[in-house]
Amino acid sequence: DAGVTQSPTHLIKTRGQQVTLRCSPKSGHDTVSWYQQALGQGPQFIFQYYEEEERQRGNFPDRFSGHQFPNYSSELNVNALLLGDSALYLCASSRTAYNSPLHFGNGTRLTVT
Amino acid sequence: EDQVTQSPEALRLQEGESSSLNCSYTVSGLRGLFWYRQDPGKGPEFLFTLYSAGEEKEKERLKATLTKKESFLHITAPKPEDSATYLCAVQESGYSTLTFGKGTMLLVSP
Repeated sequence: DAGVTQSPTHLIKTRGQQVTLRCSPKSGHDTVSWYQQALGQGPQFIFQYYEEEERQRGNFPDRFSGHQFPNYSSELNVNALLLGDSALYLCASSRTAYNSPLHFGNGTRLTVT
Repeated sequence: EDQVTQSPEALRLQEGESSSLNCSYTVSGLRGLFWYRQDPGKGPEFLFTLYSAGEEKEKERLKATLTKKESFLHITAPKPEDSATYLCAVQESGYSTLTFGKGTMLLVSP
């Protein structure tokens, strides 16, 4: 049973460019959350998708947007990249139940130069 | 003000030397407290969920406990393979998202 898969694993972009990261949730999971983890920090919540809609959003600017598809997979888009956007981007999936633990993928390492 | 504070930031132990990691939290209503393990270059791996004060969960050499203001992750007779960053996260009532602490980096030497 495949867990959460993310692509690509690494990415290098230039300031001002746009990037799209992809995530396939664990089988049986319907909710996808995205987190940003800077070096030496804990993951910071970006947003959560359920039934193809953004259900909750953290304190991130509108440059960060997302999408969930009918098969529950998800994309994270970041426009007008800044140096400070360099981080590990983690996707986590869960079942709808509130106390269902999040299962994380291994992330996409984004470097902005 | 941070909602989740973990201490110490880093901990070095000798193999077999037991210790505890601390996670203190300030949320109005706790729905659940989660412990994760994260290896370098990998995503967090789920360990435990605790829901109410007094609850305890165990897995191999790890035991997690919860009070009304903090949680402890006790590591008994650790082995080098227990070396990792341990993350604590809280889930508030009415929300399904997690707020993480900065983690404790544990290094166990043989």
